[in-house]
Amino acid sequence: GQQLNQSPQSMFIQEGEDVSMNCTSSSIFNTWLWYKQDPGEGPVLLIALYKAGELTSNGRLTAQFGITRKDSFLNISASIPSDVGIYFCAGQLTGSGNTGKLIFGQGTTLQVKP
Amino acid sequence: GAGVSQTPSNKVTEKGKYVELRCDPISGHTALYWYRQSLGQGPEFLIYFQGTGAADDSGLPNDRFFAVRPEGSVSTLKIQRTERGDSAVYLCASSLTGGFGAFFGQGTRLTVV
Repeated sequence: GQQLNQSPQSMFIQEGEDVSMNCTSSSIFNTWLWYKQDPGEGPVLLIALYKAGELTSNGRLTAQFGITRKDSFLNISASIPSDVGIYFCAGQLTGSGNTGKLIFGQGTTLQVKP
Repeated sequence: GAGVSQTPSNKVTEKGKYVELRCDPISGHTALYWYRQSLGQGPEFLIYFQGTGAADDSGLPNDRFFAVRPEGSVSTLKIQRTERGDSAVYLCASSLTGGFGAFFGQGTRLTVV
């Protein structure tokens, strides 16, 4: 099925470092979402973006909705060990005629060395 | 409940058997989604319910897969004549109206042996 292109596939960083990951699509979305998934759990919503160009923060997390509506990035500042997990981007089409189904990227696996 | 609840957490079944996976969404959420996640991949869309009706079932891989939501709350994903390739984590998600993201359950890990 259709998936977004998410990069990098994996990252291994030192605690305290900043992290950046991004997601691109050949299709336009009107909502971009970032999720984190821990082993054995379902994805947990971190940040939702609803307008092209929007920059939103949630604690140490910052995400932006690309101006072309075909991309998004997520930054994590001052990483800590509990940031370990798999991060997924997801694009969504909402509004009239759309079901709101999410199209996911392949995920970025983050490992943090204390 | 406070979150999306899925049962069972794990299901092991023999090839050719029939299985049912249950999802109890967040109270008041009218939109319900089923996704399938294979190892190392992101979740892939299966089916979307708005209320009791399946508004989009374009992600169901074949006619062995079927889902219902008879009263607009709990949903059941049904898989007939299971195959080893059906092994995956099946995730359910709900949202208030079908937009603004979705909240996921912990998933059911299905293993077909």
